[in-house]
Amino acid sequence: GAGVSQSPSNKVTEKGKDVELRCDPISGHTALYWYRQSLGQGLEFLIYFQGNSAPDKSGLPSDRFSAERTGGSVSTLTIQRTQQEDSAVYLCASSLVSGGKGGYTFGSGTRLTVV
Amino acid sequence: GNSVTQMEGPVTLSEEAFLTINCTYTATGYPSLFWYVQYPGEGLQLLLKATKADDKGSNKGFEATYRKETTSFHLEKGSVQVSDSAVYFCALSGSDYGQNFVFGPGTRLSVLP
Repeated sequence: GAGVSQSPSNKVTEKGKDVELRCDPISGHTALYWYRQSLGQGLEFLIYFQGNSAPDKSGLPSDRFSAERTGGSVSTLTIQRTQQEDSAVYLCASSLVSGGKGGYTFGSGTRLTVV
Repeated sequence: GNSVTQMEGPVTLSEEAFLTINCTYTATGYPSLFWYVQYPGEGLQLLLKATKADDKGSNKGFEATYRKETTSFHLEKGSVQVSDSAVYFCALSGSDYGQNFVFGPGTRLSVLP
């Protein structure tokens, strides 16, 4: 597509429930990234996918977080047994080349609120 | 490892004032440098970039020059508008393969009419 698409744009969930966040990157972009932005904070790197290589999961904050990327395109970030501290905006970005040397293109994010 | 340092915010200016947001970096090799902007309630947008030393990125009246000797990429605008109120992130992409895109903490700018 023309841009990076994320869904849903807003999600309110009860503590302890599982949630899935979706990212549809720009067509042809081989690299895909997930970041988290808590209220008033900077960007926290979560996970990075590059082509068919094993993902860099070094930023995932706990084993409740996981992500997959099917067919080198759409990615799903799953948070199990959500906690209130998981409330944040989850941003997805894609880039044409590895490491984003040309710059990332970001989606509009999913605002997750855990109540 | 690679890192980016930005001036602390928030920055509050009157309309038509001159803006500087400082950004310095630490990186091996030859990184590319970026400024991203996040308007209220929106995602991050690429504002400008520079891919080699002495390059100047510019967009929407904003400029930043890649200074390798001072490892800096300061953002400037000669006359800010209320619509420039946003959070600005300095970032770099390292020259090595893999996930090495590093963001600064962001600087919130408020422009008053």
